[in-house]
Amino acid sequence: KNEVEQSPQNLTAQEGEFITINCSYSVGISALHWLQQHPGGGIVSLFMLSSGKKKHGRLIATINIQEKHSSLHITASHPRDSAVYICAVDTDTGNQFYFGTGTSLTVIP
Amino acid sequence: DSGVTQTPKHLITATGQRVTLRCSPRSGDLSVYWYQQSLDQGLQFLIQYYNGEERAKGNILERFSAQQFPDLHSELNLSSLELGDSALYFCASSVVSANSPLHFGNGTRLTVT
Repeated sequence: KNEVEQSPQNLTAQEGEFITINCSYSVGISALHWLQQHPGGGIVSLFMLSSGKKKHGRLIATINIQEKHSSLHITASHPRDSAVYICAVDTDTGNQFYFGTGTSLTVIP
Repeated sequence: DSGVTQTPKHLITATGQRVTLRCSPRSGDLSVYWYQQSLDQGLQFLIQYYNGEERAKGNILERFSAQQFPDLHSELNLSSLELGDSALYFCASSVVSANSPLHFGNGTRLTVT
């Protein structure tokens, strides 16, 4: 059983499309992280959320603590957004960190 | 540039050997995390240190150990290596021990032959 589930696993979009990636978790958390991993392997932290919504450029992340669900939205997608997007949670016991399996996004020009 | 430095970038070694991976956190960050990313298991949390003390432990094998030194750099020691230990090992740092943004290094790619 995975503590963090992401959907979809793979996503192909046309440039300009609005994209949503979903993350559900089954444990109590203190924070949720959205990470981006490019084909070269490097990982970049996009957002850290404990409530509400955050926006950075074309990226928006939301979290619903009661429903144990978070979404990452990309507006006006671009080929450079092609990457694997990973959801991860800090547990509220403070002693574990769980990752989703990632969503592989390909944006076609 | 995240400010987190991991060395070496690549490491090739034989089964049964021991290796040490090094991580220098971003300036001002007190917490260091180690993660393993393998093809079949995805990303897994190994261990976290905060200001020199072990704070949290994940799926770290007994053959693996880590420490954080007074200058806050951290080392991950992998011993009695097996083929299945081949993976990308990432280090990340954050300012405090929990609920703060993570800054990732570029990873060390370990190949065990």
